[in-house]
Amino acid sequence: GENVEQHPSTLSVQEGDSAVIKCTYSDSASNYFPWYKQELGKGPQLIIDIRSNVGEKKDQRIAVTLNKTAKHFSLHITETQPEDSAVYFCAADAGFQKLVFGTGTRLLVSP
Amino acid sequence: GAVVSQHPSWVICKSGTSVKIECRSLDFQATTMFWYRQFPKQSLMLMATSNEGSKATYEQGVEKDKFLINHASLTLSTLTVTSAHPEDSSFYICSARRSSGGALETQYFGPGTRLLVL
Repeated sequence: GENVEQHPSTLSVQEGDSAVIKCTYSDSASNYFPWYKQELGKGPQLIIDIRSNVGEKKDQRIAVTLNKTAKHFSLHITETQPEDSAVYFCAADAGFQKLVFGTGTRLLVSP
Repeated sequence: GAVVSQHPSWVICKSGTSVKIECRSLDFQATTMFWYRQFPKQSLMLMATSNEGSKATYEQGVEKDKFLINHASLTLSTLTVTSAHPEDSSFYICSARRSSGGALETQYFGPGTRLLVL
């Protein structure tokens, strides 16, 4: 079955810097890769997703890149702000419409 | 938008009682809903997949008699934790997929329900 690894587990940056979170997956049949942001005590919120027919997708300060050959995808946040501080999860579809999640990255943006 | 609600947001109960958690898709129809469990500082663990009008599919290691799931309509799924014990204390989160009108793979999550069993 699908396995998703996520790095780093924690990431501290200064406000205005960029942050990059990387994920690898094992199942070459996976075609859908969402990223979720989870704030303390809340449910995950979808922030961006990408499908296998696209190599990159951007939404304002957030971008995701996908390398299907290498089976890895990354989240890029530019001009980070303190409100970006949260736990970020990557995921990959695992058949039967299920998602397999990475282990999460705790991002801390210091003012 | 795609809004999913959960009720209650938190619950405290005595050991041995049953607790029901509701998950509703507010502005879309959801043929499929999912129930997850999350321990502190850990990732989301899928418990079961709930399909409207049929029995839920449970992940390996999840007791179906312990965690009863009902998906009676296209906008409502319920999770009942039966005879709850302290080890069932956790953060339970549901998600829903659209039946039509948009990206069908996307899961929209509810705000979660924090359960504490004393």
